[in-house]
Amino acid sequence: GAGVSQTPSNKVTEKGKYVELRCDPISGHTALYWYRQSLGQGPEFLIYFQGTGAADDSGLPNDRFFAVRPEGSVSTLKIQRTERGDSAVYLCASSLLGGADTQYFGPGTRLTVL
Amino acid sequence: KQEVTQIPAALSVPEGENLVLNCSFTDSAIYNLQWFRQDPGKGLTSLLLIQSSQREQTSGRLNASLDKSSGRSTLYIAASQPGDSATYLCAVRLNTGTASKLTFGTGTRLQVTL
Repeated sequence: GAGVSQTPSNKVTEKGKYVELRCDPISGHTALYWYRQSLGQGPEFLIYFQGTGAADDSGLPNDRFFAVRPEGSVSTLKIQRTERGDSAVYLCASSLLGGADTQYFGPGTRLTVL
Repeated sequence: KQEVTQIPAALSVPEGENLVLNCSFTDSAIYNLQWFRQDPGKGLTSLLLIQSSQREQTSGRLNASLDKSSGRSTLYIAASQPGDSATYLCAVRLNTGTASKLTFGTGTRLQVTL
Protein backbone atom coordinates (compact mmCIF):
# COMPACT_ATOMS: atom_id res chain seq x y z
CA GLY A 1 0.00 0.00 0.00
CA ALA A 2 0.98 3.64 -0.27
CA GLY A 3 3.21 5.10 2.38
CA VAL A 4 3.33 8.62 3.76
CA SER A 5 3.72 11.17 0.99
CA GLN A 6 4.84 14.78 1.22
CA THR A 7 4.65 17.61 -1.26
CA PRO A 8 6.53 19.41 -2.55
CA SER A 9 9.77 17.45 -2.28
CA ASN A 10 11.72 20.68 -2.54
CA LYS A 11 10.70 24.26 -1.84
CA VAL A 12 12.84 27.33 -2.34
CA THR A 13 11.49 30.62 -1.06
CA GLU A 14 12.68 34.08 -0.14
CA LYS A 15 13.02 35.41 3.36
CA GLY A 16 9.74 36.84 4.58
CA LYS A 17 7.50 34.73 2.35
CA TYR A 18 4.75 32.34 3.44
CA VAL A 19 5.00 28.60 2.70
CA GLU A 20 2.76 25.57 3.06
CA LEU A 21 3.99 22.01 3.26
CA ARG A 22 1.60 19.11 2.77
CA CYS A 23 1.53 15.63 4.25
CA ASP A 24 -0.65 12.70 3.18
CA PRO A 25 -0.55 10.01 5.87
CA ILE A 26 -1.11 6.31 5.43
CA SER A 27 -4.82 5.71 4.93
CA GLY A 28 -6.58 4.95 8.19
CA HIS A 29 -3.83 6.29 10.44
CA THR A 30 -5.31 8.49 13.13
CA ALA A 31 -2.06 10.02 14.36
CA LEU A 32 0.16 12.38 12.41
CA TYR A 33 3.48 13.98 13.39
CA TRP A 34 5.68 16.74 12.03
CA TYR A 35 9.43 16.82 12.65
CA ARG A 36 12.16 19.18 11.44
CA GLN A 37 15.66 17.99 10.57
CA SER A 38 18.46 20.51 10.20
CA LEU A 39 21.67 19.63 8.41
CA GLY A 40 23.74 17.17 10.40
CA GLN A 41 21.12 16.81 13.13
CA GLY A 42 18.48 14.30 14.04
CA PRO A 43 14.81 15.12 13.52
CA GLU A 44 13.21 17.38 16.14
CA PHE A 45 9.57 17.02 17.10
CA LEU A 46 7.23 19.85 16.13
CA ILE A 47 3.60 18.76 16.56
CA TYR A 48 1.41 15.68 16.98
CA PHE A 49 -2.20 15.34 15.80
CA GLN A 50 -4.66 12.77 17.04
CA GLY A 51 -7.51 12.98 14.58
CA THR A 52 -8.23 16.60 13.80
CA GLY A 53 -6.82 18.06 16.99
CA ALA A 54 -3.27 18.93 17.99
CA ALA A 55 -2.55 16.69 20.98
CA ASP A 56 0.93 18.10 21.50
CA ASP A 57 2.31 21.23 19.83
CA SER A 58 5.14 21.78 22.29
CA GLY A 59 7.79 21.53 19.58
CA LEU A 60 6.61 24.42 17.42
CA PRO A 61 9.45 26.97 17.71
CA ASN A 62 7.35 30.14 17.62
CA ASP A 63 4.04 31.57 16.45
CA ARG A 64 5.19 31.76 12.84
CA PHE A 65 4.63 28.01 12.65
CA PHE A 66 1.14 26.57 12.47
CA ALA A 67 -0.28 23.22 11.40
CA VAL A 68 -3.77 21.99 10.61
CA ARG A 69 -5.47 18.70 9.93
CA PRO A 70 -9.08 19.71 9.28
CA GLU A 71 -10.50 16.33 8.27
CA GLY A 72 -8.24 14.08 10.25
CA SER A 73 -6.25 12.96 7.24
CA VAL A 74 -4.10 15.37 5.21
CA SER A 75 -2.10 17.90 7.21
CA THR A 76 -0.55 21.20 6.21
CA LEU A 77 2.36 22.84 7.99
CA LYS A 78 2.29 26.59 7.49
CA ILE A 79 5.23 28.91 8.05
CA GLN A 80 4.76 32.67 8.00
CA ARG A 81 7.47 35.28 7.43
CA THR A 82 10.07 32.64 6.71
CA GLU A 83 13.61 33.15 7.99
CA ARG A 84 16.88 31.65 6.76
CA GLY A 85 17.03 29.60 9.96
CA ASP A 86 13.84 27.80 8.90
CA SER A 87 15.81 26.02 6.17
CA ALA A 88 15.63 22.30 6.93
CA VAL A 89 14.00 19.06 5.88
CA TYR A 90 10.46 18.82 7.25
CA LEU A 91 9.43 15.23 7.90
CA CYS A 92 5.93 13.92 8.39
CA ALA A 93 5.06 10.61 10.02
CA SER A 94 1.85 8.77 10.77
CA SER A 95 0.85 5.92 13.02
CA LEU A 96 -2.27 3.83 13.31
CA LEU A 97 -3.45 4.84 16.76
CA GLY A 98 -0.86 7.22 18.14
CA GLY A 99 0.67 6.74 21.57
CA ALA A 100 3.56 4.31 21.34
CA ASP A 101 2.61 2.91 17.92
CA THR A 102 5.33 2.66 15.29
CA GLN A 103 5.63 5.87 13.29
CA TYR A 104 6.05 5.62 9.51
CA PHE A 105 7.92 8.48 7.92
CA GLY A 106 7.53 10.24 4.60
CA PRO A 107 10.48 11.32 2.40
CA GLY A 108 10.36 14.89 3.66
CA THR A 109 10.19 18.35 2.13
CA ARG A 110 13.48 20.20 1.82
CA LEU A 111 12.82 23.88 2.51
CA THR A 112 15.44 26.44 1.53
CA VAL A 113 14.94 30.05 2.56
CA LEU A 114 17.18 32.44 0.62
CA LYS B 1 14.96 17.39 29.02
CA GLN B 2 15.85 14.14 27.29
CA GLU B 3 19.08 14.28 25.33
CA VAL B 4 20.19 11.52 22.98
CA THR B 5 23.79 11.16 21.84
CA GLN B 6 25.21 8.87 19.18
CA ILE B 7 28.83 7.88 18.84
CA PRO B 8 30.63 7.80 16.49
CA ALA B 9 29.27 10.53 14.23
CA ALA B 10 30.74 8.77 11.20
CA LEU B 11 32.20 5.35 10.56
CA SER B 12 33.82 3.68 7.56
CA VAL B 13 34.39 -0.06 7.50
CA PRO B 14 35.35 -2.60 4.83
CA GLU B 15 32.71 -5.00 3.61
CA GLY B 16 32.25 -8.06 5.80
CA GLU B 17 33.18 -6.46 9.10
CA ASN B 18 30.95 -6.57 12.14
CA LEU B 19 30.30 -3.19 13.73
CA VAL B 20 28.61 -1.54 16.70
CA LEU B 21 26.82 1.79 16.81
CA ASN B 22 26.22 3.44 20.17
CA CYS B 23 23.34 5.48 21.52
CA SER B 24 23.04 7.04 24.97
CA PHE B 25 20.16 8.93 26.58
CA THR B 26 19.96 11.02 29.73
CA ASP B 27 16.47 10.20 31.04
CA SER B 28 16.01 6.50 31.76
CA ALA B 29 12.19 6.81 32.05
CA ILE B 30 11.69 5.68 28.49
CA TYR B 31 8.76 3.78 27.00
CA ASN B 32 10.78 2.32 24.16
CA LEU B 33 13.78 2.93 21.91
CA GLN B 34 13.84 2.66 18.18
CA TRP B 35 16.62 2.43 15.60
CA PHE B 36 16.06 3.96 12.17
CA ARG B 37 17.94 4.03 8.92
CA GLN B 38 17.96 7.14 6.74
CA ASP B 39 19.12 7.11 3.12
CA PRO B 40 19.96 10.41 1.37
CA GLY B 41 16.83 12.18 0.16
CA LYS B 42 14.55 9.61 1.73
CA GLY B 43 12.55 9.28 4.88
CA LEU B 44 13.34 7.17 7.90
CA THR B 45 12.93 3.40 7.84
CA SER B 46 12.33 1.70 11.16
CA LEU B 47 14.80 -1.13 11.82
CA LEU B 48 14.18 -2.31 15.36
CA LEU B 49 12.02 -1.24 18.28
CA ILE B 50 12.87 -2.30 21.84
CA GLN B 51 10.31 -1.91 24.60
CA SER B 52 11.62 -0.67 27.95
CA SER B 53 11.04 -4.14 29.45
CA GLN B 54 13.17 -5.84 26.81
CA ARG B 55 16.93 -6.30 26.67
CA GLU B 56 17.38 -6.88 22.95
CA GLN B 57 15.74 -7.33 19.58
CA THR B 58 17.04 -9.07 16.50
CA SER B 59 16.19 -8.81 12.83
CA GLY B 60 18.39 -10.61 10.33
CA ARG B 61 21.92 -9.28 10.62
CA LEU B 62 20.85 -6.56 13.06
CA ASN B 63 20.78 -6.85 16.83
CA ALA B 64 19.83 -4.00 19.14
CA SER B 65 20.37 -4.07 22.89
CA LEU B 66 19.00 -1.84 25.60
CA ASP B 67 20.35 -1.12 29.08
CA LYS B 68 17.79 1.31 30.46
CA SER B 69 19.45 1.79 33.83
CA SER B 70 22.68 3.02 32.27
CA GLY B 71 20.92 4.90 29.48
CA ARG B 72 22.56 3.02 26.63
CA SER B 73 21.63 1.12 23.50
CA THR B 74 23.79 -0.49 20.85
CA LEU B 75 23.04 -1.54 17.30
CA TYR B 76 25.17 -4.44 16.12
CA ILE B 77 25.44 -5.08 12.38
CA ALA B 78 26.95 -8.39 11.37
CA ALA B 79 28.80 -9.04 8.13
CA SER B 80 28.34 -5.51 6.83
CA GLN B 81 27.52 -4.93 3.15
CA PRO B 82 27.83 -1.84 0.91
CA GLY B 83 24.02 -1.64 0.94
CA ASP B 84 24.18 -0.95 4.68
CA SER B 85 25.70 2.46 3.94
CA ALA B 86 23.31 5.04 5.38
CA THR B 87 22.78 7.22 8.44
CA TYR B 88 21.54 5.34 11.49
CA LEU B 89 19.43 7.19 14.03
CA CYS B 90 18.26 6.11 17.44
CA ALA B 91 15.17 7.64 19.02
CA VAL B 92 13.58 7.31 22.43
CA ARG B 93 10.01 7.70 23.49
CA LEU B 94 9.52 8.95 27.05
CA ASN B 95 7.21 7.18 29.45
CA THR B 96 5.30 10.36 30.21
CA GLY B 97 2.29 12.17 28.85
CA THR B 98 1.10 10.78 25.58
CA ALA B 99 4.35 8.86 25.01
CA SER B 100 3.99 9.97 21.42
CA LYS B 101 6.91 12.10 20.33
CA LEU B 102 10.31 10.68 19.52
CA THR B 103 13.55 12.31 20.64
CA PHE B 104 16.31 11.55 18.16
CA GLY B 105 20.06 11.42 18.34
CA THR B 106 22.21 13.16 15.75
CA GLY B 107 22.93 9.92 13.92
CA THR B 108 25.92 7.86 12.82
CA ARG B 109 26.82 8.05 9.14
CA LEU B 110 28.02 4.61 8.08
CA GLN B 111 29.96 3.84 4.94
CA VAL B 112 30.74 0.24 4.02
CA THR B 113 33.45 0.02 1.38
CA LEU B 114 34.20 -2.74 -1.10
